Amino acid sequence: KNEVEQSPQNLTAQEGEFITINCSYSVGISALHWLQQHPGGGIVSLFMLSSGKKKHGRLIATINIQEKHSSLHITASHPRDSAVYICAVLPGWYNNNDMRFGAGTRLTVKP
Amino acid sequence: EPEVTQTPSHQVTQMGQEVILRCVPISNHLYFYWYRQILGQKVEFLVSFYNNEISEKSEIFDDQFSVERPDGSNFTLKIRSTKLEDSAMYFCASSDHRGVGGYTFGSGTRLTVV
Repeated sequence: KNEVEQSPQNLTAQEGEFITINCSYSVGISALHWLQQHPGGGIVSLFMLSSGKKKHGRLIATINIQEKHSSLHITASHPRDSAVYICAVLPGWYNNNDMRFGAGTRLTVKP
Repeated sequence: EPEVTQTPSHQVTQMGQEVILRCVPISNHLYFYWYRQILGQKVEFLVSFYNNEISEKSEIFDDQFSVERPDGSNFTLKIRSTKLEDSAMYFCASSDHRGVGGYTFGSGTRLTVV
């Protein structure tokens, strides 16, 4: 069983739509990351969360530690948001750097 | 904004050859990582490095792999005798503290073993 599950696997939206990508995990964590991977392959870190909510521009990330669930929201989506969004967790046990990655959600935003 | 730089961006090598992938982490970061992503699959952790030694490694990181910080700026991943299944995108990342300050990823090296 995957420790990090993302849904949906693929998502197509029209420009301007509100997007939600979900991530569930099965291990105790010290932090959760949302990453963006562009078609060229490079990875950009969007958020690192250990509790609550963070906002950066049109992106909002939330986490519920008790439910082991996080969501990434994109408001007023734009074609340039098209990318693969990856949820990754850092297990919470001592000195563990073994980040566990979800399979990613491929987002396509059409003009 | 500070970047993690990886070279080369693409490398093609013959099976059995040694390859060295290079990374320049952010200068004031203390933790360094290598990950790989086989085409169509999810990203996987390989190794973390702190205080000039490996702090953690995954099952993938067997004796064919090694890492080194040969000077104050570079962080390298060596694959001694490449196999076809080593073909993947390899990402380097660094952080100022394990998870707390966030991670910065490099743009990756695409390794093709033929």
